Amino acid sequence: DVKVTQSSRYLVKRTGEKVFLECVQDMDHENMFWYRQDPGLGLRLIYFSYDVKMKEKGDIPEGYSVSREKKERFSLILESASTNQTSMYLCASILGGAHSDTQYFGPGTRLTVL
Amino acid sequence: KQEVTQIPAALSVPEGENLVLNCSFTDSAIYNLQWFRQDPGKGLTSLLLIQSSQREQTSGRLNASLDKSSGRSTLYIAASQPGDSATYLCAVWVGQKLVFGQGTRLTINP
Repeated sequence: DVKVTQSSRYLVKRTGEKVFLECVQDMDHENMFWYRQDPGLGLRLIYFSYDVKMKEKGDIPEGYSVSREKKERFSLILESASTNQTSMYLCASILGGAHSDTQYFGPGTRLTVL
Repeated sequence: KQEVTQIPAALSVPEGENLVLNCSFTDSAIYNLQWFRQDPGKGLTSLLLIQSSQREQTSGRLNASLDKSSGRSTLYIAASQPGDSATYLCAVWVGQKLVFGQGTRLTINP
């Protein structure tokens, strides 16, 4: 079974802190994604990566950056956390051709910024 | 810009009923469509993937159909059970990303 894991289920940080959210997949997937999910707004794509050291902006990249130094690991970085970044963060990955396969999701990280 | 809509936002039915969840999208130029299930506070679990060239996919009690020309998909759940209670999301591949609907929150009452 494909497994996508996220480093924390729940995280509480203070405004201005630098926050790292880690995502690891164990099936050699090429494409990885970070979303945030908010009530009434649904899932929105922050960043995605289709290869090591490659990244593409999604729909809402402002205030975020990403890092992909190894194929299996995709990190989301909040350079200076703000209260409007309180949200559920979901990581996903997909095998091979993005259009023909299933996207697998991690369990999510519920981030609260105080 | 592709928009995905799911109606209704919430649905409550008695156990044992067959039910249909609806998904519509504005641009028919999609690669495929996926249905996901999300339990409260959890990640998404993929249920069915329909390629753009297909009309339907089945898995157990679930059947998903796709009509690209009308921009619609349905998820049919047969003989519903309390364990089916969850939020169901549909999503379409556009370019390099998935565009999601906001989901239908389904409650199956024992």
